[in-house]
Amino acid sequence: DQQVKQNSPSLSVQEGRISILNCDYTNSMFDYFLWYKKYPAEGPTFLISISSIKDKNEDGRFTVFLNKSAKHLSLHIVPSQPGDSAVYFCAATANFGNEKLTFGTGTRLTIIP
Amino acid sequence: NAGVTQTPKFQVLKTGQSMTLQCAQDMNHEYMSWYRQDPGMGLRLIHYSVGAGITDQGEVPNGYNVSRSTTEDFPLRLLSAAPSQTSVYFCASTRGRGLGYTFGSGTRLTVV
Repeated sequence: DQQVKQNSPSLSVQEGRISILNCDYTNSMFDYFLWYKKYPAEGPTFLISISSIKDKNEDGRFTVFLNKSAKHLSLHIVPSQPGDSAVYFCAATANFGNEKLTFGTGTRLTIIP
Repeated sequence: NAGVTQTPKFQVLKTGQSMTLQCAQDMNHEYMSWYRQDPGMGLRLIHYSVGAGITDQGEVPNGYNVSRSTTEDFPLRLLSAAPSQTSVYFCASTRGRGLGYTFGSGTRLTVV
């Protein structure tokens, strides 16, 4: 049972435009959400997170939006740059004191110059 | 400050062999985890630890053992390798929620 879902395996966006990556979750106990970026042959790198008490968090070109009622979050990248081409993973955790992360299957973002 | 260091980077094992994947962090993080990444399946949690001496199972623990005798080290042992354990393994650590996990660069394991 996939508790965190990224339904788009891939996404192509022109350089300078907005990239929107989506993530859905089913477990109501999740209260913290994170986005990771992964290049080939490297480990994932933490990008941005959001607590369930917020509906938006911004860090430079990256903004994460959370819609708790829809159990949906999205990552917006504006403007998109060639270096943003990577696989993006959505992850979630519940406040049980163990910091276990549940990951989605990832979305491969390709920025077209 | 090296972050999370994993060794080896690549390994080929024969079915039935055992080995230990090493993981060390120098950030004094309490929480450490092992994940495996398989095509189309994202990262799945194998085992995790909330501090020295404390470990627990994740989503896919069968065939793997862990121990945490120090804060810094969190080795993953494959008891009797099987082809289904062919994967890329990532070790990660964090001080706590909101700070994100720091991942190692991974170990690519092939079992033949």
